[in-house]
Amino acid sequence: QVRLQESGPGLVKPSQTLSLTCTVSGDSISSDGYYWSWIRQPPGKGLEWIGYMYYSGSTYYNPSLKSRVTISVDTSKNQFSLKLSSVTAADTAVYYCARYYYGSRNFYNYFQHWGQGTLVTVSS
Amino acid sequence: QTVVTQEPSFSVSPGGTVTLTCGLNSGPVSTSYFPSWYQQKPGQAPRTLIYRTNTRSSGVPDRFSGSILGNKAALTITGAQADDEADYYCVLYLSSVILIGGGTKLTVL
Repeated sequence: QVRLQESGPGLVKPSQTLSLTCTVSGDSISSDGYYWSWIRQPPGKGLEWIGYMYYSGSTYYNPSLKSRVTISVDTSKNQFSLKLSSVTAADTAVYYCARYYYGSRNFYNYFQHWGQGTLVTVSS
Repeated sequence: QTVVTQEPSFSVSPGGTVTLTCGLNSGPVSTSYFPSWYQQKPGQAPRTLIYRTNTRSSGVPDRFSGSILGNKAALTITGAQADDEADYYCVLYLSSVILIGGGTKLTVL
């Protein structure tokens, strides 16, 4: 059973960088056909895709966040990470990590597994 | 800017049938966008219901079904139960970019 668990500070000051890590268990982060993703949800609002990364390095970001986002993968620790710079109160949200199944011989393209989410508040 | 449209809210009676839709402001939704659907209850992470338009995820009851209706992707709940009261999100794949709809709040009463 694949499990994902987010970790990181629950409070970040404005203008600083938000950093979160997602630890994957039950499968290798280097498995073929999966993108490792971040999605967020401001309180009382809908889901917003932040971006995703393939273990070999290909990354894709939401154009509205691209200038501030970096997603990276650490295959030795079976983890992937999110960095969001220059945060403001608008970045306050529950941040979810998820495994996106792209597929290999056939295409699937969906979020297959989700972490439980972690609330990050941006406040001084 | 490409936007995924969903009904903000919907209401269904217990035992009834409801169809939620997922559209694109830039044109029709087709299977090539790999529509998927997710259910989210308060305080919980989203749960995957449907992927690749009409394939149910493991453990999802068969009262949930996905399709393309006209120019939109659709999620139909047949025989709605009180436990189906939740937010439902549609996700589309467009050239390596993921678009998520604003969600539909489904009330069962």
